[in-house]
Amino acid sequence: QQKVQQSPESLIVPEGGMASLNCTSSDRNVDYFWWYRQHSGKSPKMLMSIFSNGEKEEGRFTVHLNKASLHTSLHIRDSQPSDSALYLCAASFFNMGYKLTFGTGTSLLVDP
Amino acid sequence: NAGVIQTPRHKVTGKGQEATLWCEPISGHSAVFWYRQTIVQGLEFLTYFRNQAPIDDSGMPKERFSAQMPNQSHSTLKIQSTQPQDSAVYLCASSTTGANTGQLYFGEGSKLTVL
Repeated sequence: QQKVQQSPESLIVPEGGMASLNCTSSDRNVDYFWWYRQHSGKSPKMLMSIFSNGEKEEGRFTVHLNKASLHTSLHIRDSQPSDSALYLCAASFFNMGYKLTFGTGTSLLVDP
Repeated sequence: NAGVIQTPRHKVTGKGQEATLWCEPISGHSAVFWYRQTIVQGLEFLTYFRNQAPIDDSGMPKERFSAQMPNQSHSTLKIQSTQPQDSAVYLCASSTTGANTGQLYFGEGSKLTVL
């Protein structure tokens, strides 16, 4: 079973719309969550991180974390065609050192 | 800052041949990671080094895969007797270390195709 599960697998939103992506860990030893973005043919790049319960906003991007439910979500408002990419959720775990475990990603398409 | 450099960008091998992939991490970064990415499995952890020492190779298929970091500016991933299921994009990443910094800087990857 994947330690980091993401949903949905794919998502289409209209330009200017809101995209909401979800990520849950199946392991209670989860320590921190990160969100990475990978454009087609490119390597993943870190988008946002969140370590504490609550919400963090950076421009059009907002991340929520609920540690009790081991759940994080990424919300993109006013979505742009350039936001079309694979969004990867990653987590670190207390007993696994510095390595990150990635989910399989949500493929976002922003329809102009 | 040139970022993480990976070579070759593309490699095609025949089944049973050897493939060696190279990675130059960002100068000053003390942790180096190897991942591989496929459509089906996603981004899978292979191994990582901290200050050149191997720390965790739990993701490495033991029989044919090996990784080394002979100096702080260079890591290699070697796959012996390549099989079609080894076809993937192999990504190297580096980071600073500390309390779970988590920001990995990835190279552009080496796409391995095993015929």
